[in-house]
Amino acid sequence: DAMVIQNPRYQVTQFGKPVTLSCSQTLNHNVMYWYQQKSSQAPKLLFHYYDKDFNNEADTPDNFQSRRPNTSFCFLDIRSPGLGDAAMYLCATSSTGTRYFGPGTRLLVL
Amino acid sequence: AQSVTQPDIHITVSEGASLELRCNYSYGATPYLFWYVQSPGQGLQLLLKYFSGDTLVQGIKGFEAEFKRSQSSFNLRKPSVHWSDAAEYFCAVAVMDSSYKLIFGSGTRLLVRP
Repeated sequence: DAMVIQNPRYQVTQFGKPVTLSCSQTLNHNVMYWYQQKSSQAPKLLFHYYDKDFNNEADTPDNFQSRRPNTSFCFLDIRSPGLGDAAMYLCATSSTGTRYFGPGTRLLVL
Repeated sequence: AQSVTQPDIHITVSEGASLELRCNYSYGATPYLFWYVQSPGQGLQLLLKYFSGDTLVQGIKGFEAEFKRSQSSFNLRKPSVHWSDAAEYFCAVAVMDSSYKLIFGSGTRLLVRP
């Protein structure tokens, strides 16, 4: 089945230790997104790629970076995680407006 | 500015009872509307969407939603709730410009009584 895959599902890191979350898709969609979702809140868009064009939300901290080496893969790099970065990180794709979400990666910062 | 309002933070219904979750939106053009469901610790699953055409939209898991332009609403309904429907439900509107934003409501948590 075509889908959005996120690895790992759970990630534990230490305060200040860089971490990378990965997302892959078999839908061949040209747009990929990264969202941050904190407990009992709606997802918050961090950035998106339209093909190779990177679009950062104005309020996304510089601590968050992203890479999209090809259509299928997209990575979220958190350079120096703080306690406030503990959250669920959701990857999504779209081609015609409908977002298809992955299962998410739960990040814990110790 | 575009916005989505889900006025109910929590709703509790008995298993087998009918359900309606409310969603109101503010958007200048014809909206692209969605309902997503999220179980604890999981990603968002698309229940249904409205782009155009028939204003009553059928989705997965027995859900339906009705687009009412005059009321700026897109309420989600299910005639008979199952215990497995307990989850968080998000209504959203897509901004169809280069920003590719998806504006979410704050969500409604559904609890199902046995």
